[in-house]
Amino acid sequence: KQEVTQIPAALSVPEGENLVLNCSFTDSAIYNLQWFRQDPGKGLTSLLLIQSSQREQTSGRLNASLDKSSGRSTLYIAASQPGDSATYLCAVGIQGAQKLVFGQGTRLTINP
Amino acid sequence: GAVVSQHPSRVICKSGTSVKIECRSLDFQATTMFWYRQFPKQSLMLMATSNEGSKATYEQGVEKDKFLINHASLTLSTLTVTSAHPEDSSFYICSAAPQGINAAFFGQGTRLTVV
Repeated sequence: KQEVTQIPAALSVPEGENLVLNCSFTDSAIYNLQWFRQDPGKGLTSLLLIQSSQREQTSGRLNASLDKSSGRSTLYIAASQPGDSATYLCAVGIQGAQKLVFGQGTRLTINP
Repeated sequence: GAVVSQHPSRVICKSGTSVKIECRSLDFQATTMFWYRQFPKQSLMLMATSNEGSKATYEQGVEKDKFLINHASLTLSTLTVTSAHPEDSSFYICSAAPQGINAAFFGQGTRLTVV
């Protein structure tokens, strides 16, 4: 059974810092990996999608990497801003890519 | 493209009543949709896979008679929470994707509060 773990559970940093969120999964047989952002009481915003054949994806200040063999992914956020404060969820696609197993999330707070 | 719309976004109902949540794919057809649930301060857990024209597949521990899923068309899946109780209060969210697209697109979610 696939399990996804995110470390740390919570992170608080000053504005402007670069930071890394970690995600690990137990079964390397994944179709893809997605990083999402969730604001309090809201739905999911897709940030980055990495297909199983890819190593990384970039969007603006965000960069996500994928190492299938070791079962790990990282989300790098450069020059953090208070608006980046949210919960970040990592999810792996199984059984056809659309079915996702989520991690518990990292609650990020960027202090002005 | 690949827009998924969910309705309602928020609902409050009395204990013992039933609530229906709709998930629509607006610009594509979806033979499969997925329903997730998120309890406060927890992550999303898959509840069931909705299959167009056939029975839904439920994850272990999810009561199929309590959470009725109907996927009667290629653009609409509904989740009905029957005889709702306060412990069913949660955030319910659906996902779908066009055929051949290896990604998941989510609706806005529905916050259900049972009083």
